[in-house]
Amino acid sequence: NAGVMQNPRHLVRRRGQEARLRCSPMKGHSHVYWYRQLPEEGLKFMVYLQKENIIDESGMPKERFSAEFPKEGPSILRIQQVVRGDSAAYFCASSPLTSGQETQYFGPGTRLLVL
Amino acid sequence: QQQVKQSPQSLIVQKGGISIINCAYENTAFDYFPWYQQFPGKGPALLIAIRPDVSEKKEGRFTISFNKSAKQFSLHIMDSQPGDSATYFCAAKREYGGATNKLIFGTGTLLAVQP
Repeated sequence: NAGVMQNPRHLVRRRGQEARLRCSPMKGHSHVYWYRQLPEEGLKFMVYLQKENIIDESGMPKERFSAEFPKEGPSILRIQQVVRGDSAAYFCASSPLTSGQETQYFGPGTRLLVL
Repeated sequence: QQQVKQSPQSLIVQKGGISIINCAYENTAFDYFPWYQQFPGKGPALLIAIRPDVSEKKEGRFTISFNKSAKQFSLHIMDSQPGDSATYFCAAKREYGGATNKLIFGTGTLLAVQP
């Protein structure tokens, strides 16, 4: 049973470019979460999605960041016009149900470096 | 009210010793408290979790102690081994009564177990 998959594992972008991060949840999981980890810091919640719905985006920056989880395919975290401060590790997690008790399983992360 | 405070920031323990990491929270609505272990370059992996209806939970060498009145919980690693060297994150979330499922993480503790 494959775990949460994220790609790419490493991404280098120049300032002003777009970064697109992908997350495939564990089989049978329909809930996806994105977290950001800045160097030497803990993980910060960004957004919580179910298929075709954004449930909680309270941690998303107001501009340049967007997320989706389409009916088919992986969840995408998109960062437009990247800046150096966007350099971080971005982790995706998934869980199976919405009752709240289910553990969130994390992927290996995408390390974004903005030059 | 959404913060989870974690200490110490780093910890050095001799092989066979006890590692203790502490966390404190403010939001009394939190009712699920997991600990995650993260190795360099990897995603966080769930280690052990506790709910407020019990004061202690043990799994192998790992024990969570929970003090509801003090709003504190701690991770104890007994017989610490060099392979336990990693960053440990406590977290909290509200499982019931909220629409979101987001985890609030502490800032992490870098544990080094010396042989």
